[in-house]
Amino acid sequence: DTAVSQTPKYLVTQMGNDKSIKCEQNLGHDTMYWYKQDSKKFLKIMFSYNNKELIINETVPNRFSPKSPDKAHLNLHINSLELGDSAVYFCASSQDVNTGELFFGEGSRLTVL
Amino acid sequence: GQNIDQPTEMTATEGAIVQINCTYQTSGFNGLFWYQQHAGEAPTFLSYNVLDGLEEKGRFSSFLSRSKGYSYLLLKELQMKDSASYLCAVRDRFITDKLIFGTGTRLQVFP
Repeated sequence: DTAVSQTPKYLVTQMGNDKSIKCEQNLGHDTMYWYKQDSKKFLKIMFSYNNKELIINETVPNRFSPKSPDKAHLNLHINSLELGDSAVYFCASSQDVNTGELFFGEGSRLTVL
Repeated sequence: GQNIDQPTEMTATEGAIVQINCTYQTSGFNGLFWYQQHAGEAPTFLSYNVLDGLEEKGRFSSFLSRSKGYSYLLLKELQMKDSASYLCAVRDRFITDKLIFGTGTRLQVFP
Protein backbone atom coordinates (compact mmCIF):
# COMPACT_ATOMS: atom_id res chain seq x y z
CA ASP A 1 0.00 0.00 0.00
CA THR A 2 1.52 3.32 -1.09
CA ALA A 3 1.67 5.81 1.78
CA VAL A 4 1.19 8.94 -0.34
CA SER A 5 -0.30 8.36 -3.74
CA GLN A 6 -1.00 10.90 -6.43
CA THR A 7 -2.64 10.61 -9.83
CA PRO A 8 -1.99 10.95 -12.63
CA LYS A 9 1.76 10.32 -12.82
CA TYR A 10 2.00 11.93 -16.21
CA LEU A 11 -0.14 14.65 -17.75
CA VAL A 12 0.35 16.16 -21.19
CA THR A 13 -2.05 18.91 -22.19
CA GLN A 14 -2.48 22.03 -24.27
CA MET A 15 -2.12 25.61 -23.09
CA GLY A 16 -5.38 27.04 -21.81
CA ASN A 17 -6.78 23.74 -20.58
CA ASP A 18 -7.83 22.98 -17.01
CA LYS A 19 -6.46 19.93 -15.19
CA SER A 20 -6.51 18.34 -11.75
CA ILE A 21 -4.06 16.24 -9.77
CA LYS A 22 -5.30 14.13 -6.89
CA CYS A 23 -3.44 13.12 -3.75
CA GLU A 24 -4.29 10.74 -0.95
CA GLN A 25 -2.32 9.67 2.12
CA ASN A 26 -3.06 6.65 4.29
CA LEU A 27 -0.61 7.51 7.06
CA GLY A 28 -3.13 9.23 9.28
CA HIS A 29 -1.17 12.49 9.02
CA ASP A 30 -2.74 15.84 9.80
CA THR A 31 -0.79 17.99 7.34
CA MET A 32 -0.52 17.82 3.56
CA TYR A 33 1.43 19.85 1.04
CA TRP A 34 1.85 20.60 -2.62
CA TYR A 35 5.37 21.27 -3.90
CA LYS A 36 6.44 22.21 -7.42
CA GLN A 37 9.79 21.01 -8.79
CA ASP A 38 10.95 22.83 -11.90
CA SER A 39 13.40 21.75 -14.59
CA LYS A 40 16.32 22.91 -12.43
CA LYS A 41 15.13 20.53 -9.70
CA PHE A 42 14.24 23.37 -7.35
CA LEU A 43 11.52 22.16 -4.96
CA LYS A 44 9.21 25.00 -3.94
CA ILE A 45 6.28 24.86 -1.56
CA MET A 46 2.94 25.97 -2.96
CA PHE A 47 0.32 25.11 -0.36
CA SER A 48 -0.05 23.45 3.00
CA TYR A 49 -3.21 22.20 4.70
CA ASN A 50 -3.62 21.11 8.28
CA ASN A 51 -6.76 19.13 9.08
CA LYS A 52 -8.41 20.46 5.91
CA GLU A 53 -7.55 24.08 6.74
CA LEU A 54 -5.24 26.12 4.51
CA ILE A 55 -2.19 27.25 6.48
CA ILE A 56 0.37 28.10 3.82
CA ASN A 57 -0.37 29.76 0.50
CA GLU A 58 2.81 30.88 -1.17
CA THR A 59 2.81 33.36 -4.01
CA VAL A 60 1.00 31.11 -6.42
CA PRO A 61 -1.24 32.38 -9.26
CA ASN A 62 -4.98 32.22 -8.61
CA ARG A 63 -5.20 29.69 -11.40
CA PHE A 64 -4.00 27.14 -8.86
CA SER A 65 -6.70 26.07 -6.42
CA PRO A 66 -6.15 23.37 -3.83
CA LYS A 67 -9.04 21.51 -2.23
CA SER A 68 -8.97 19.29 0.82
CA PRO A 69 -12.25 17.37 1.25
CA ASP A 70 -10.81 15.60 4.30
CA LYS A 71 -7.44 15.39 5.96
CA ALA A 72 -6.41 12.35 3.91
CA HIS A 73 -6.91 14.09 0.57
CA LEU A 74 -5.47 17.20 -1.04
CA ASN A 75 -6.24 17.85 -4.67
CA LEU A 76 -4.81 20.52 -6.94
CA HIS A 77 -6.80 22.08 -9.74
CA ILE A 78 -5.09 24.28 -12.32
CA ASN A 79 -7.05 26.57 -14.66
CA SER A 80 -5.90 28.06 -17.95
CA LEU A 81 -2.63 26.17 -18.06
CA GLU A 82 0.48 28.03 -19.24
CA LEU A 83 3.80 26.78 -20.59
CA GLY A 84 5.53 27.79 -17.36
CA ASP A 85 3.33 25.42 -15.40
CA SER A 86 5.27 22.48 -16.83
CA ALA A 87 6.97 20.83 -13.86
CA VAL A 88 6.74 17.87 -11.52
CA TYR A 89 4.19 18.43 -8.78
CA PHE A 90 4.80 16.55 -5.55
CA CYS A 91 2.21 15.94 -2.88
CA ALA A 92 3.55 15.30 0.63
CA SER A 93 2.26 14.75 4.13
CA SER A 94 3.64 15.07 7.66
CA GLN A 95 2.42 13.97 11.07
CA ASP A 96 1.50 17.56 11.95
CA VAL A 97 2.60 21.13 11.25
CA ASN A 98 5.50 20.83 13.69
CA THR A 99 7.08 17.84 11.99
CA GLY A 100 9.52 18.48 9.17
CA GLU A 101 9.77 14.88 8.09
CA LEU A 102 7.75 14.85 4.91
CA PHE A 103 6.53 11.78 3.09
CA PHE A 104 6.33 12.50 -0.62
CA GLY A 105 4.18 11.01 -3.32
CA GLU A 106 5.85 9.84 -6.53
CA GLY A 107 5.16 13.09 -8.32
CA SER A 108 2.97 14.10 -11.24
CA ARG A 109 4.86 15.28 -14.29
CA LEU A 110 2.84 17.97 -16.06
CA THR A 111 3.80 18.99 -19.59
CA VAL A 112 1.99 21.92 -21.15
CA LEU A 113 2.33 22.21 -24.94
CA GLY B 1 13.76 36.10 3.70
CA GLN B 2 15.39 32.74 3.26
CA ASN B 3 18.46 31.67 1.32
CA ILE B 4 19.93 28.18 1.11
CA ASP B 5 23.13 27.40 -0.78
CA GLN B 6 24.61 24.06 -1.74
CA PRO B 7 27.04 23.01 -4.48
CA THR B 8 25.27 22.05 -7.68
CA GLU B 9 27.23 18.90 -8.44
CA MET B 10 29.82 16.64 -6.85
CA THR B 11 31.55 13.45 -7.90
CA ALA B 12 33.17 10.76 -5.79
CA THR B 13 34.48 7.22 -6.01
CA GLU B 14 32.88 4.07 -4.64
CA GLY B 15 34.11 3.37 -1.11
CA ALA B 16 35.17 6.97 -0.49
CA ILE B 17 33.78 9.60 1.88
CA VAL B 18 32.02 12.72 0.61
CA GLN B 19 30.85 15.85 2.46
CA ILE B 20 28.02 17.94 1.04
CA ASN B 21 27.83 21.43 2.52
CA CYS B 22 24.82 23.64 3.01
CA THR B 23 24.72 27.23 4.20
CA TYR B 24 21.51 28.99 5.04
CA GLN B 25 20.06 32.32 6.07
CA THR B 26 16.61 32.40 7.56
CA SER B 27 14.61 34.69 9.81
CA GLY B 28 13.21 31.97 12.09
CA PHE B 29 15.33 28.84 12.07
CA ASN B 30 13.53 25.80 13.42
CA GLY B 31 15.49 22.80 12.20
CA LEU B 32 17.47 21.56 9.21
CA PHE B 33 16.70 18.47 7.15
CA TRP B 34 18.47 16.45 4.51
CA TYR B 35 16.55 14.59 1.84
CA GLN B 36 17.76 12.20 -0.84
CA GLN B 37 16.16 12.19 -4.29
CA HIS B 38 17.04 9.62 -6.94
CA ALA B 39 16.41 10.67 -10.54
CA GLY B 40 12.73 10.47 -11.40
CA GLU B 41 11.71 9.59 -7.87
CA ALA B 42 10.30 11.34 -4.81
CA PRO B 43 12.55 12.87 -2.14
CA THR B 44 13.00 10.72 0.95
CA PHE B 45 13.93 11.89 4.44
CA LEU B 46 17.51 11.27 5.59
CA SER B 47 18.21 13.32 8.69
CA TYR B 48 17.12 16.12 11.00
CA ASN B 49 19.20 18.53 13.11
CA VAL B 50 17.83 21.22 15.39
CA LEU B 51 20.68 21.46 17.92
CA ASP B 52 24.36 21.99 17.16
CA GLY B 53 26.41 18.88 16.63
CA LEU B 54 26.59 15.67 14.71
CA GLU B 55 23.76 13.20 14.17
CA GLU B 56 24.88 9.79 12.94
CA LYS B 57 22.71 7.26 11.18
CA GLY B 58 24.58 4.36 9.68
CA ARG B 59 26.75 5.47 6.78
CA PHE B 60 25.18 8.94 6.83
CA SER B 61 25.88 11.72 9.33
CA SER B 62 24.61 15.28 9.44
CA PHE B 63 26.20 18.21 11.25
CA LEU B 64 24.73 21.56 12.23
CA SER B 65 26.20 24.85 13.45
CA ARG B 66 23.40 27.32 14.06
CA SER B 67 25.73 30.23 14.80
CA LYS B 68 27.40 29.79 11.41
CA GLY B 69 24.23 28.93 9.49
CA TYR B 70 25.99 25.83 8.26
CA SER B 71 25.33 22.14 7.88
CA TYR B 72 26.92 19.24 6.11
CA LEU B 73 25.90 15.74 5.15
CA LEU B 74 28.65 13.16 5.35
CA LEU B 75 28.36 9.95 3.36
CA LYS B 76 30.83 7.17 4.17
CA GLU B 77 31.70 3.99 2.29
CA LEU B 78 30.03 5.33 -0.81
CA GLN B 79 28.03 2.93 -2.93
CA MET B 80 26.85 3.30 -6.51
CA LYS B 81 23.27 3.53 -5.26
CA ASP B 82 24.19 6.73 -3.38
CA SER B 83 24.22 8.55 -6.74
CA ALA B 84 21.33 10.95 -6.25
CA SER B 85 20.48 14.55 -5.47
CA TYR B 86 20.80 15.60 -1.84
CA LEU B 87 18.47 18.37 -0.77
CA CYS B 88 19.15 20.58 2.23
CA ALA B 89 15.94 22.02 3.71
CA VAL B 90 15.39 24.51 6.49
CA ARG B 91 12.25 24.87 8.54
CA ASP B 92 11.34 28.49 8.91
CA ARG B 93 8.87 29.67 11.51
CA PHE B 94 8.82 33.38 10.78
CA ILE B 95 5.13 33.25 10.03
CA THR B 96 4.30 29.61 10.16
CA ASP B 97 6.40 26.49 9.99
CA LYS B 98 7.34 25.61 6.46
CA LEU B 99 10.14 23.65 4.88
CA ILE B 100 12.28 25.60 2.43
CA PHE B 101 14.43 23.50 0.13
CA GLY B 102 17.79 24.33 -1.39
CA THR B 103 18.41 23.57 -5.05
CA GLY B 104 20.07 20.27 -4.19
CA THR B 105 23.49 18.76 -4.84
CA ARG B 106 23.69 16.12 -7.53
CA LEU B 107 26.17 13.46 -6.43
CA GLN B 108 27.62 10.99 -8.92
CA VAL B 109 29.48 7.98 -7.57
CA PHE B 110 31.90 6.29 -9.94
CA PRO B 111 33.32 2.76 -9.66
